[in-house]
Amino acid sequence: GESVGLHLPTLSVQEGDNSIINCAYSNSASDYFIWYKQESGKGPQFIIDIRSNMDKRQGQRVTVLLNKTVKHLSLQIAATQPGDSAVYFCAATHSGTYKYIFGTGTRLKVLA
Amino acid sequence: KAGVTQTPRYLIKTRGQQVTLSCSPISGHRSVSWYQQTPGQGLQFLFEYFSETQRNKGNFPGRFSGRQFSNSRSEMNVSTLELGDSALYLCASSARTGTNTEAFFGQGTRLTVV
Repeated sequence: GESVGLHLPTLSVQEGDNSIINCAYSNSASDYFIWYKQESGKGPQFIIDIRSNMDKRQGQRVTVLLNKTVKHLSLQIAATQPGDSAVYFCAATHSGTYKYIFGTGTRLKVLA
Repeated sequence: KAGVTQTPRYLIKTRGQQVTLSCSPISGHRSVSWYQQTPGQGLQFLFEYFSETQRNKGNFPGRFSGRQFSNSRSEMNVSTLELGDSALYLCASSARTGTNTEAFFGQGTRLTVV
């Protein structure tokens, strides 16, 4: 079956540094991708999305890169802050299904 | 505007019992999806409802069922509970405007089966 995988279960970065979280998906038909942030005791919170007709999308302090050739996407967080500490998930779907396949999550730890 | 509301937040049930979880989507959103989150399996898709009809279904046994009402509120039912059903159950709502739009999640219902 289709899957979405994250490369690292845990990522530790120094406060102020940039963070990069990677994700790979298996279904080449996937054409819409979302990154979510989940803090302890809360539901996933939308961070940024990207459609397959784009390679890059920027938000506030976050950038998502999509490489459809190798079925890989990444989330870059600039100037990482303590409040960024959470588990990050990528999710993939293809048009019209509204069925999102989630990765297993990367826990981001921000070191003071 | 108000977010996705799930009730109850916490539940403790005994094996063999059944449970019903409730989800109120964001006003105007007509698509409601349900996910099960466990430490071992991550977030897994259960099903999606749109206009009171189940549109997609994940790979879960028939003990897991759901429905959606005319006001888009949704309920999920699990019958004959097993210990392995202990999880965080998340509901997500989406506008479903024809192209994929982001899904907004509720806080979840933490179900513990003892």
